[in-house]
Amino acid sequence: EPEVTQTPSHQVTQMGQEVILRCVPISNHLYFYWYRQILGQKVEFLVSFYNNEISEKSEIFDDQFSVERPDGSNFTLKIRSTKLEDSAMYFCASTKWGGETQYFGPGTRLLVL
Amino acid sequence: DQQVKQNSPSLSVQEGRISILNCDYTNSMFDYFLWYKKYPAEGPTFLISISSIKDKNEDGRFTVFLNKSAKHLSLHIVPSQPGDSAVYFCAASTETSGSRLTFGEGTQLTVNP
Repeated sequence: EPEVTQTPSHQVTQMGQEVILRCVPISNHLYFYWYRQILGQKVEFLVSFYNNEISEKSEIFDDQFSVERPDGSNFTLKIRSTKLEDSAMYFCASTKWGGETQYFGPGTRLLVL
Repeated sequence: DQQVKQNSPSLSVQEGRISILNCDYTNSMFDYFLWYKKYPAEGPTFLISISSIKDKNEDGRFTVFLNKSAKHLSLHIVPSQPGDSAVYFCAASTETSGSRLTFGEGTQLTVNP
């Protein structure tokens, strides 16, 4: 069964450093998403992406964040200058055109020191 | 953001009995609802969904009920099995392609053998 994959599974970085989280969505899916879950809190929406552009973003998704689909398979989330409060699990999700069910990857645990 | 709320942080049931997980929402624009199951250090796994045009959807041991007038949905698992022990998240969206999911806080279900 096709699934969303994410790399790396864990990333430790120093405050102020740039990180890139990678995702490979399900191959025939057209909508892509990033969510995050800070420890002990809800899963929160960050951004959605369709047809090579951002379709929606939350108030969390400020200028420090960017997304890109550099090729036909990868979908990346870049945090330009990480802060301590960026420490969280980051989940990628995807859905097919016209579908409402989002399928999630296993997540990347980001720790900012 | 309290648009989706799961008031019970935890639920414990005996194997073979019914598990009932509850979820309330406030945004009347939501018209598609999903339940996800999550194990530690993994991504949310889609379980079952329901559109607002229905009041019940069933898939094997899992049934979701939707009461639109009360803005309430519930997930019934019967019979419960020890492998069902996980965190269950309720999520809601508008039935528009690419729409974000808004999650509840989650309920930790423990099924005791």
